[in-house]
Amino acid sequence: DIQMTQSPSSLSASVGDRVTITCRASQGISNYLAWYQQKPGKVPKLLIYAASTLQSGVPSRFSGSGSGTDFTLTISSLQPEDVATYYCQKYNSAGFTFGPGTKVDIK
Amino acid sequence: EVQLVQSGAEVKKPGESLKISCKGSGYSFTSYWIGWVRQMPGKGLEWMGIIYPGDSDTRYSPSFQGQVTISADKSISTAYLQWSSLKASDTAMYYCVRITMVRGAHFDYWGQGTLVTVSS
Repeated sequence: DIQMTQSPSSLSASVGDRVTITCRASQGISNYLAWYQQKPGKVPKLLIYAASTLQSGVPSRFSGSGSGTDFTLTISSLQPEDVATYYCQKYNSAGFTFGPGTKVDIK
Repeated sequence: EVQLVQSGAEVKKPGESLKISCKGSGYSFTSYWIGWVRQMPGKGLEWMGIIYPGDSDTRYSPSFQGQVTISADKSISTAYLQWSSLKASDTAMYYCVRITMVRGAHFDYWGQGTLVTVSS
């Protein structure tokens, strides 16, 4: 099955910094890639689907890009409320697989 | 407003059976796949399986095939996840999700989670 990896596994950045998280699929998945945010102790939330489409209500500082095997999630200006773990997730005919997650906190 | 409301926390002993539920409202329950996601303590998200309540078509992740049973009762807009014999390693938070099939598929709505604790 297709494996998903994320890098880095954790990062610490300052408020206002641009943050980029990378997700890689072991085989091409077109743009069938979603990103989720899980704040500590909370339910995960959909941020982006189809690699680059922002879910309704998600702040525009979040963006996604990529196709095939390499994808990125970018936070253009990190805010305190963005402290969370971020997961990528692929979809194909074999089903869904989440990446291991990237933990983001404030320096 | 779309809502997925899950049943409450459970504490069980190894070997016991369990069925947890997820009730959908605010949308056509029979028109969207419902999935289940496991999150073990301090760990990441794992997809377990999905069901289409319209015809009960069910698919399982290979990791969970044979370990759990997913079902749905469309007459009451409720999906279920059940175990016949729980193990301590089943201790986790379980989320139900609504799946939208647009340009691929993604989990656009999540239940509040059901914490299952299995301990002797």
